[in-house]
Amino acid sequence: SYELTQPPSVSVSPGQTASITCSGDKLGDKYACWYQQKPGQSPVLVIYQDSKRPSGIPERFSGSNSGNTATLTISGTQAMDEADYYCQAWDSGGVVFGGGTKLTVL
Amino acid sequence: QVQLVQSGAEVKKPGASVKVSCKASGYTFTSYDINWVRQATGQGLEWMGWMNPNSGNTGYAQKFQGRVTMTRNTSISTAYMELSSLRSEDTAVYYCATGSGNWFDPWGQGTLVTVSS
Repeated sequence: SYELTQPPSVSVSPGQTASITCSGDKLGDKYACWYQQKPGQSPVLVIYQDSKRPSGIPERFSGSNSGNTATLTISGTQAMDEADYYCQAWDSGGVVFGGGTKLTVL
Repeated sequence: QVQLVQSGAEVKKPGASVKVSCKASGYTFTSYDINWVRQATGQGLEWMGWMNPNSGNTGYAQKFQGRVTMTRNTSISTAYMELSSLRSEDTAVYYCATGSGNWFDPWGQGTLVTVSS
């Protein structure tokens, strides 16, 4: 079955750039999207179709996808961006989520 | 605005079934698939399957085949997910989610299902 691999944790200082990776076999041939989930809340879509931002998502969130890796980049990271982030793609067997990355802003 | 409102928390005994509802508003219910995703406490997201509210067609993750049933009532814009033969490992928050493409936006508020004897 298809798998997506994310680092368990990423740390970043306020105002700096955070990058969260998501790896999967030929992931660049699929569309990837990203969700943000804060404690006790439902996931929120922050990037879809590799690099598009839904309405209401700040411009500091961006995405890319090439080869075997999709990347979520948060520029000028703010304390409010501290959350869990999940990548997602579709495979022949259905939807696949990455294991999630806890972003710590310190 | 597009909104999905789910039914309340459930406590079930092992071996029982649970049926969670997801009421849609703010859009034409039959236009977009409804997906179900669950999350055990402190764990990641796990996709369970999808349903097309227009046709009723479904697709289930292999892990849940034979135990999950997704249905809908178009007259009240509501989707349902029923999981049978519950075991303690099924204790989780269950989410419904929709979207116009291969992504989920928005998600419901989640329904906690606790399986305990």
